[in-house]
Amino acid sequence: DADVTQTPRNRITKTGKRIMLECSQTKGHDRMYWYRQDPGLGLRLIYYSFDVKDINKGEISDGYSVSRQAQAKFSLSLESAIPNQTALYFCATSDRTDSSYNEQFFGPGTRLTVL
Amino acid sequence: RKEVEQDPGPFNVPEGATVAFNCTYSNSASQSFFWYRQDCRKEPKLLMSVYSSGNEDGRFTAQLNRASQYISLLIRDSKLSDSATYLCVVNLSGGGYNKLIFGAGTRLAVHP
Repeated sequence: DADVTQTPRNRITKTGKRIMLECSQTKGHDRMYWYRQDPGLGLRLIYYSFDVKDINKGEISDGYSVSRQAQAKFSLSLESAIPNQTALYFCATSDRTDSSYNEQFFGPGTRLTVL
Repeated sequence: RKEVEQDPGPFNVPEGATVAFNCTYSNSASQSFFWYRQDCRKEPKLLMSVYSSGNEDGRFTAQLNRASQYISLLIRDSKLSDSATYLCVVNLSGGGYNKLIFGAGTRLAVHP
């Protein structure tokens, strides 16, 4: 079984709809992240969470919100989807460590299309 | 200027070739460096970390030049299975928090 899972894997929705993307992990990691990937651009950080009570905005948080329901679950919501939120969304996790050489483990991604 | 810049490619090479990718980063305070590999429509996975002294893992060699803010990845004896996009990644933060900045990636296609 995959260590980091995302649901749904694909979603097509309409402008103005509320969408929730879910991420679960069995790695026991404290830290979780949401990124989006657009063609020709690198992955960009939307939100990150160091633990259940610690949630922080990333580089491009406008139009998004998150919820850390448990150590293992981190959800991303689009309150009112717009077409430029069409992208590939990745959840990632990392362990608690003082090292800057700390691997992030990614889920399989959710391909979201907003019409 | 992008914080992490890579040549997008594609690099089309025959099996057995040696290929090198370069990457530059703009923030001199960057703490750590990585190459991630991303197969088509898949998630990124860590290929190797890049240390100041340079490091090698089998056919892969990574180099870091902090003075020039430049990172490289060398792949020797290319295999068909090396076909993927290679992401240059820089961590701006010290300690355990990863503030990772991703390059847009360099695409490699290895042909028979």
